[in-house]
Amino acid sequence: AQTVTQSQPEMSVQEAETVTLSCTYDTSESDYYLFWYKQPPSRQMILVIRQEAYKQQNATENRFSVNFQKAAKSFSLKISDSQLGDAAMYFCAYRTTMNYGGSQGNLIFGKGTKLSVKP
Amino acid sequence: GAGVSQSPRYKVAKRGQDVALRCDPISGHVSLFWYQQALGQGPEFLTYFQNEAQLDKSGLPSDRFFAERPEGSVSTLKIQRTQQEDSAVYLCASSQTAGVNTGELFFGEGSRLTVL
Repeated sequence: AQTVTQSQPEMSVQEAETVTLSCTYDTSESDYYLFWYKQPPSRQMILVIRQEAYKQQNATENRFSVNFQKAAKSFSLKISDSQLGDAAMYFCAYRTTMNYGGSQGNLIFGKGTKLSVKP
Repeated sequence: GAGVSQSPRYKVAKRGQDVALRCDPISGHVSLFWYQQALGQGPEFLTYFQNEAQLDKSGLPSDRFFAERPEGSVSTLKIQRTQQEDSAVYLCASSQTAGVNTGELFFGEGSRLTVL
């Protein structure tokens, strides 16, 4: 079974600075998707960025970028020029591409990292 | 609607009561997922629907949990004889497509259940 581990329960960053959130995962599959989701206090999960395992190039979305190390099974999120609105819980998630005949679209989440942004 | 809508947003139940949580996915979305998120934890999968068919219910923690999506749109998660350990936020997510081509999951704001 696949697992996702986020080893940093809490992180803090100064406004305008850069912060990196860590994520490792365990799988025997060669192709899969990885995601970072943001969950503000309103509780609605918002997709931040997505990476397909077969793509070598690291995904980037504006101030958000990932460092995907497939051999090390590591998938960290870098937030540049941090803003107060970035404060939230961040969840790393894994999704299989295998056809098990059921819920292939299901996400397996880590426990999350609470990010605080200091003005 | 414009997004995934869940109701009620907050529910307080006495131990032993039955509760029903509703999810109204984005119109036309084929896939619907239910997750349980305990305090301070990540969401954990409960069950999955493709249209009206419940294809995976492997995450339901006990036979007190039951979900349905009879017409392939609105879904209801029912918990019978609630216990304190059922206290959590229940998240619903939908996607336009299904299977290995499942697209982005859109989440609702969740229903927070507190069992006293």
